[in-house]
Amino acid sequence: RKEVEQDPGPFNVPEGATVAFNCTYSNSASQSFFWYRQDCRKEPKLLMSVYSSGNEDGRFTAQLNRASQYISLLIRDSKLSDSATYLCVVNPRGGKLIFGQGTELSVKP
Amino acid sequence: DTGVSQDPRHKITKRGQNVTFRCDPISEHNRLYWYRQTLGQGPEFLTYFQNEAQLEKSRLLSDRFSAERPKGSFSTLEIQRTEQGDSAMYLCASSLIERTDTQYFGPGTRLTVL
Repeated sequence: RKEVEQDPGPFNVPEGATVAFNCTYSNSASQSFFWYRQDCRKEPKLLMSVYSSGNEDGRFTAQLNRASQYISLLIRDSKLSDSATYLCVVNPRGGKLIFGQGTELSVKP
Repeated sequence: DTGVSQDPRHKITKRGQNVTFRCDPISEHNRLYWYRQTLGQGPEFLTYFQNEAQLEKSRLLSDRFSAERPKGSFSTLEIQRTEQGDSAMYLCASSLIERTDTQYFGPGTRLTVL
């Protein structure tokens, strides 16, 4: 079983749609959680951290459920520029990041 | 540009050859990480340094792979006797010790082994 699991997609949605990505992790001792965005053939970039209380950054909302070991990302009013791969990331103790497979999003006009 | 830089950006080599990649982290960052990413997968951790000390190595880092960070600044990743399965994007990242969860990635070196 992979340490971080995501639905690889692709998710094809029209502009303006709301889309949700889910992720599960296996290490219950994991300490911090993130969503990264990766554009085609580019490096991953931090989109947002994820907190147990839930957090929002504009059109993006992230949630963490430690009991279920489940992380989500909601994108509202999706834009063409949101097309990318979204990586669920867990940081267990020690500094290394554990990445999920990534979920590909394609927003169409 | 004060971000993480990597060189070369692309490398094509024949099976059995040795290759070496370089990473220059953000100047004040004392942690440096190497990851590998294959097509359709997320990055996988290889190893990381705190200053010049290599603190952790993944099981993915076979004995053909070696990484160094001799002066605690730039790092090199060498692959000896390359195999076709080594074809991947090799990503470097850096962070501050007190902010290890905030890692900044370089553009990567794309390796193709023929």
